[in-house]
Parts: sequence; structure tokens; C-alpha cells
Amino acid sequence: DIVMTQGALPNPVPSGESASITCQSSKSLLHSNGKTYLNWYLQRPGQSPQFLIYWMSTRASGVSDRFSGSGSGTDFTLKISRVEAEDVGVYYCQQDLEFPLTFGSGTKLEIK
Amino acid sequence: EVKLVESGGGLVQPGRSLKLSCAASGFSFNDYWMGWVRQAPGKGLEWIGEINQDSSTINYTPSLKDKFTISRDNAQNTLYLQMSKLGSEDTAIYYCARGPAYWGQGTLVTVSS
Repeated sequence: DIVMTQGALPNPVPSGESASITCQSSKSLLHSNGKTYLNWYLQRPGQSPQFLIYWMSTRASGVSDRFSGSGSGTDFTLKISRVEAEDVGVYYCQQDLEFPLTFGSGTKLEIK
Repeated sequence: EVKLVESGGGLVQPGRSLKLSCAASGFSFNDYWMGWVRQAPGKGLEWIGEINQDSSTINYTPSLKDKFTISRDNAQNTLYLQMSKLGSEDTAIYYCARGPAYWGQGTLVTVSS
């Protein structure tokens, strides 16, 4: 199975500042079709996960352009610009290159 | 509007079985893979498995393959998760999902005597 490892944030992050969340995969997520199969989600307290980013850097429908994804085949970053109160929650990365799909353990974002 | 509504959760004794349902609406159910994800209290997300459109392909996370069975009824627009030999480690919110973008609100399963 592909293991996904997420880094921690130096919480709390001041409102209006940027936050970067890291994620590493134990195997390259770069497919032969050129796409990198890495998703990002935000789970706000008490809610279901919300889909943010797919193919490492493509924002899902309706997602603010304050969220951006980048990376290589095994190292990934989700950057949140100008953090706001509504960004609070736990962020998860997930690989969907191969079964079983696997998630990172989550990174909590708090704001002050 | 895509809507996924899970049901069937509740309190169940260790060793027993339970079947969850996910009622889908707002899209052509038989055109999509569907899956289940769970989340233990205070823990992260765990992918359980996915089923393709005609049920000919079902993928599971290996550790759950012998305990959980995913099925679907395209005529009823419903996805199922049959869980057997439940233990305390299976206590979790169970989410139904269509791809990465659409999730239900989840149903809580508590395994306890």
C-alpha cells in the first residue's frame, strides 16, 4: 500500500497569513499519462470532508483560489493564502493512483 | 443536486453484523463508481472500498476485505456496506462517497456490549 505522511502546522496561524501543509507519498504518484494522482480535502469540525484539489494542483469546482496545490511525484504542498476563520479544520491528502486508496493522517489548522 | 444519505448505523454488539445503506439521488447512479470511507472517533479517514457501475469490480482495503462487503442496487439507486464480526475497532462514522467530490453526512456505528 502507498503510505501518505503529512506534516504538522505551527498553530495557530495568524489570520491573513499563509499556511503550507506538506504531504509525502511512499511511491511516486505520477502516472504515465502525466497526471499526478494526489487529492486534498478539508474536514471542518463536525462536517464531512470537502474536496479541494485533484491531480495535485487542480482546484475542484467552487474552491477558492486561495487554495493551491503543488509538488513533485512524492512531495506535495497545499498552500492556503490569506487564511480565514472558515479554513479551520483538518486537511487530508489522499492518493488515488492505485488501490487501496490511502489518506494521510491529517493536518490541523487553527487560526488566531 | 447530488445527494447521498447514509442510514443503518447504531449500537451493535461485538461479533454481530450490520448492513449500512446509502441512498443516492440527483445523478445517474448507475454511471458512477461508489465507495465507503470511515472515520473512528477523533481519528483520520480510512478508505474502505469502491464498487464499479455494474458490480463486476470491487476493491477493498486489504485489512477489511474479509469482514466487509460492498454491493449496490442500481434499480434502487442504493449502495450497501455489509459488515460482519464487528469489533470495537469498527466504531466509526461511515461515509458513502461518489468519487472524491461528493460525500454523505455519514452514519455512526458504535460497537459495544
